[in-house]
Amino acid sequence: EADIYQTPRYLVIGTGKKITLECSQTMGHDKMYWYQQDPGMELHLIHYSYGVNSTEKGDLSSESTVSRIRTEHFPLTLESARPSHTSQYLCASSGTGVAKNIQYFGAGTRLSVL
Amino acid sequence: KQEVTQIPAALSVPEGENLVLNCSFTDSAIYNLQWFRQDPGKGLTSLLLIQSSQREQTSGRLNASLDKSSGRSTLYIAASQPGDSATYLCAVLTGANNLFFGTGTRLTVIP
Repeated sequence: EADIYQTPRYLVIGTGKKITLECSQTMGHDKMYWYQQDPGMELHLIHYSYGVNSTEKGDLSSESTVSRIRTEHFPLTLESARPSHTSQYLCASSGTGVAKNIQYFGAGTRLSVL
Repeated sequence: KQEVTQIPAALSVPEGENLVLNCSFTDSAIYNLQWFRQDPGKGLTSLLLIQSSQREQTSGRLNASLDKSSGRSTLYIAASQPGDSATYLCAVLTGANNLFFGTGTRLTVIP
């Protein structure tokens, strides 16, 4: 079973607040990803990382930022939350070798900005 | 840009029936295709992964096929059970480890 954790699971917050969504994995995976999923819509990649100090933007533009200071940790930050940021955010990671193309997903964070 | 489409968007079947979920993608230059299961309030669980060189994969009551040249995949679920109720997503992996997802098929298996 994959060991990738996201906190919080649910977050309701007011407009203008700064928030950080946490994602941690204990599998030693180099690659990590953030996806955004609006209700009834596809998941879209918003950020990914190939390893420590590597961050890239995905195919969906996002006002969020990410950092990768440690292999196991890939937090996502919104400096000033807005109602348009209301969505589900899913974190994933993938390793190397035979299973390098398999992404393991966390349970997600459902964010509501009032 | 890769686009992934899944039909139907929702499906209800009585318990015990066999069913097929469909997935199509526009760019055949893929590394692999994955079928995921998503339960409400939970993350994604990978069900089957088919490499671009493969035609099908089987796991228990699940069988996934891939026709890369026509940009299609199917997920066959045999003898459906109420516990199979979930949203099923297909995703194709392209360069830079980018997964492109469909919008999913919401399956309800009625006891």
